[in-house]
Amino acid sequence: SAVISQKPSRDICQRGTSLTIQCQVDSQVTMMFWYRQQPGQSLTLIATANQGSEATYESGFVIDKFPISRPNLTFSTLTVSNMSPEDSSIYLCSVAGEDLKNIQYFGAGTRLSVL
Amino acid sequence: SQQGEEDPQALSIQEGENATMNCSYKTSINNLQWYRQNSGRGLVHLILIRSNEREKHSGRLRVTLDTSKKSSSLLITASRAADTASYFCATDAGQAGTALIFGKGTTLSVSS
Repeated sequence: SAVISQKPSRDICQRGTSLTIQCQVDSQVTMMFWYRQQPGQSLTLIATANQGSEATYESGFVIDKFPISRPNLTFSTLTVSNMSPEDSSIYLCSVAGEDLKNIQYFGAGTRLSVL
Repeated sequence: SQQGEEDPQALSIQEGENATMNCSYKTSINNLQWYRQNSGRGLVHLILIRSNEREKHSGRLRVTLDTSKKSSSLLITASRAADTASYFCATDAGQAGTALIFGKGTTLSVSS
């Protein structure tokens, strides 16, 4: 299994500001992902965080709004830029890989409220 | 777009009863996974079933998979108040280790 530490667990932010969310894994993993869960909704993939290269974004998500870094195989960050109330969601990172027997493990999530 | 659709969207039962949740998906899969989420927190992995498996058990959980119907079910037996949560199925759209596509989820409420 994998233990994922995600920070912060929650935050309240002002419109127009940015927040960086950190995801730290206790072992090297092949795949890392970022998801968004809007209030009362299911999870939607934002992007795949690629180690050493630019993230791969899903339709509807762009790098300028959600820049992602992945400097190594155990760490990634997601920044929510120029926030608006519509960005209020839970943001979750997850990890997967053959070494995890293809089970995808999730962090505890970051609950973001934008005023 | 959502891969799966859970049915029912909400389920209320008494402690000790069984709870059954169903999930349908659209594309071919390699694995299907079930997760639990308590009160908007992180997702807890419950069980993974491979496309060549038909049934899997883990404690009070029983998962079935019917690839011909593109559907899965999660049965929780002898439910407890602590089982109150949202349950999601998720598929990998045919390639293991890739991002998951989630269903809309079933909200289960177990009253004592």
